[in-house]
Amino acid sequence: AAGVIQSPRHLIKEKRETATLKCYPIPRHDTVYWYQQGPGQDPQFLISFYEKMQSDKGSIPDRFSAQQFSDYHSELNMSSLELGDSALYFCASSLGGSSYEQYFGPGTRLTVT
Amino acid sequence: GQSLEQPSEVTAVEGAIVQINCTYQTSGFYGLSWYQQHDGGAPTFLSYNALDGLEETGRFSSFLSRSDSYGYLLLQELQMKDSASYFCAAMIYNQGGKLIFGQGTELSVKP
Repeated sequence: AAGVIQSPRHLIKEKRETATLKCYPIPRHDTVYWYQQGPGQDPQFLISFYEKMQSDKGSIPDRFSAQQFSDYHSELNMSSLELGDSALYFCASSLGGSSYEQYFGPGTRLTVT
Repeated sequence: GQSLEQPSEVTAVEGAIVQINCTYQTSGFYGLSWYQQHDGGAPTFLSYNALDGLEETGRFSSFLSRSDSYGYLLLQELQMKDSASYFCAAMIYNQGGKLIFGQGTELSVKP
């Protein structure tokens, strides 16, 4: 069965650079969620989209922005990167707007040096 | 604020039963989910309780008591492959739904 696809899987950037993370949800899933997970920490909800509209927002810095496109894929744009942004970034998808059963992608490991 | 508390680590032996507790303090609470995460891997959905009571899915069961703001995950017939982190996550519904995760419980299964 198709799973959530994230690219790139690994990304190394320097401070103050920008990064774009991509997420391709499971086919027919209309909702995308973004999470940030630091080492030894729990996933922190950043933002979600349902039917291409932002549906909820968590602890997402103003330096970050995201959107969901007409084909339901989503991109997380991160600017003015800081060392503290180094983390695993997960995208998850679900069907129907808000779901307790979210399917997570493999994650993008971002390292900021 | 929104918070969920669970033990940081639990150790058990193969074949045993282990219970991971979770207490929560949230607003807009809809239900409690449980996720498993192996080192460096993606969280994987295990179980969900919207109503009070026990939900059973194979070797895993989950329980919720809304009046006590408490839930637990029960793992039976433990196997070595069950060694992982287990997160409780509150489904919060304000404008849209989102999951707020607990800090995670690292389960070590010993032979």
